[in-house]
Amino acid sequence: DSGVTQTPKHLITATGQRVTLRCSPRSGDLSVYWYQQSLDQGLQFLIQYYNGEERAKGNILERFSAQQFPDLHSELNLSSLELGDSALYFCASSWGGGAETQYFGPGTRLLVL
Amino acid sequence: KNEVEQSPQNLTAQEGEFITINCSYSVGISALHWLQQHPGGGIVSLFMLSSGKKKHGRLIATINIQEKHSSLHITASHPRDSAVYICAVGLDFGNEKLTFGTGTRLTIIP
Repeated sequence: DSGVTQTPKHLITATGQRVTLRCSPRSGDLSVYWYQQSLDQGLQFLIQYYNGEERAKGNILERFSAQQFPDLHSELNLSSLELGDSALYFCASSWGGGAETQYFGPGTRLLVL
Repeated sequence: KNEVEQSPQNLTAQEGEFITINCSYSVGISALHWLQQHPGGGIVSLFMLSSGKKKHGRLIATINIQEKHSSLHITASHPRDSAVYICAVGLDFGNEKLTFGTGTRLTIIP
């Protein structure tokens, strides 16, 4: 158990819908990362937050947004969902947000029908 | 060309064999990470390296910064080592957004 929690574990929804994925980092970690793992693209970095502020952005679509709250949990919002958004979404956390070990949550498996 | 290349893509070995998985990268990095992904999907961080060598139990990771190459070794392999092993690099020193290799699927046969 990494100490990182993600909810929900599974999500099935329809095209055009909006969903919110939630991540709680390990106790004491200030940085949260979001990653997408799809069959055709592999693992890709989406976005990083550090202590409530956006620190780095990767291949995140404009339909996707994220935020980190004062209690350090983070949410990833996916809107106008398309079939191609079906993937595993992982969050990870680390203490400082630099070159450190990242601890991964169990992932949320999203299926868009 | 991918910034992170792993080889082999698939590896099947007998229990007890010595395993080597390779990772090459093409740019300067802040650190290199080795991750393990189990069939259920969960990802575990095995090592983070910026130089030299690290060992944890039967796992050893090495990195050669000059050659931009890292290896993950498993000694006395066991069926429970069967998983996908993923190499990832951090490309910025101010943050650690990771760029991932495509993974090596390892199967250890009893």
